Amino acid sequence: GQQVMQIPQYQHVQEGEDFTTYCNSSTTLSNIQWYKQRPGGHPVFLIQLVKSGEVKKQKRLTFQFGEAKKNSSLHITATQTTDVGTYFCAGSDNQGGKLIFGQGTELSVKP
Amino acid sequence: NAGVTQTPKFQVLKTGQSMTLQCAQDMNHEYMSWYRQDPGMGLRLIHYSVGAGITDQGEVPNGYNVSRSTTEDFPLRLLSAAPSQTSVYFCASSSRANEQFFGPGTRLTVL
Repeated sequence: GQQVMQIPQYQHVQEGEDFTTYCNSSTTLSNIQWYKQRPGGHPVFLIQLVKSGEVKKQKRLTFQFGEAKKNSSLHITATQTTDVGTYFCAGSDNQGGKLIFGQGTELSVKP
Repeated sequence: NAGVTQTPKFQVLKTGQSMTLQCAQDMNHEYMSWYRQDPGMGLRLIHYSVGAGITDQGEVPNGYNVSRSTTEDFPLRLLSAAPSQTSVYFCASSSRANEQFFGPGTRLTVL
């Protein structure tokens, strides 16, 4: 079945450093979504990518969808303490409503 | 709008007991899903529904039942709780294959 792998599992950075998390799917995806979960909270939607090679930016966050639509990345420039949390990618290989999440990358930021 | 609501917030069960986790949404979303979250495992899809009367299995459906008699409600039933079902359970809804809105979660402990 469809699998979504995400690395690294943990990332500890100094405030101001950059951060990247990578997501790989075992199957071609119709779209990929990214979520952020603060400690003790629930996942909150960040963005959805649909097109092959798509790149989207949200302030310091840059999201990419691979040409083959099987991988994606999230890059944060100059991390801040407010970026702390776990970042999840989630992919769907059809339009049938089944969204499979990666294991998540837990980001900690040292002031 | 209340969004996605889940009850209860916390629950402790003994092995073999049954219970129902409630989930409701007031956004008229067609899609609803149940996930469980365990440390290091990310969010794993239990069951999902693409509309009233339609449900399907996710990645880890064993030990859980669902039904979708209305658009608003998507209860998750544990027929005979086991310690392996100790987890945080999240319900989510979306309009087709778009961003998912998550409820606050139910923290379940099975002794």
